[in-house]
Amino acid sequence: DTAVSQTPKYLVTQMGNDKSIKCEQNLGHDTMYWYKQDSKKFLKIMFSYNNKELIINETVPNRFSPKSPDKAHLNLHINSLELGDSAVYFCASSHSGQPQHFGDGTRLSIL
Amino acid sequence: GESVGLHLPTLSVQEGDNSIINCAYSNSASDYFIWYKQESGKGPQFIIDIRSNMDKRQGQRVTVLLNKTVKHLSLQIAATQPGDSAVYFCADYPNAGGTSYGKLTFGQGTILTVHP
Repeated sequence: DTAVSQTPKYLVTQMGNDKSIKCEQNLGHDTMYWYKQDSKKFLKIMFSYNNKELIINETVPNRFSPKSPDKAHLNLHINSLELGDSAVYFCASSHSGQPQHFGDGTRLSIL
Repeated sequence: GESVGLHLPTLSVQEGDNSIINCAYSNSASDYFIWYKQESGKGPQFIIDIRSNMDKRQGQRVTVLLNKTVKHLSLQIAATQPGDSAVYFCADYPNAGGTSYGKLTFGQGTILTVHP
């Protein structure tokens, strides 16, 4: 009964490929997020959706496209993967203005 | 730009000692602060939070102190245990009651190592 679950946990792929990461939350939250954590553990928000509507879109290359089919799901599609995309990507969810609950991350490695 | 940062990137303590992790913030509009713990291979886990109308909040073995005058936040862990070893992040919500829609800004992180 994991609250925020991401798949896959590990993703190893070659430069130039297109890949997707899926996220689901069963907490009934209205807001979902994607974060990127670099090798120095720095966490930075990428996107946020509130009730399926995009509300935060930080300076992220347009190769990254989030999609929210419903309030419980927020997927992240990445086109033309680059070496610099290697990182851990975290999905999170919350009610607006409340602490965010994080998944356990997807470790993306670009060869 | 606005930032939330940490004074000490690493902290080593003996089991049973008290630990103090510090954080400085620069955004004067910050009104809600959260401490997260991140264990190896896991996502950040909520520990405790505090709103700007408070200067102290206690949980189980943890206490958060907020000094708005100097824009400083600290996390105190009592009787630190090996299971407390992790990376600790402070995070900041500006105007949390308004339309910030959860734009958390995370600090650098402090690595806490507890020796048995």
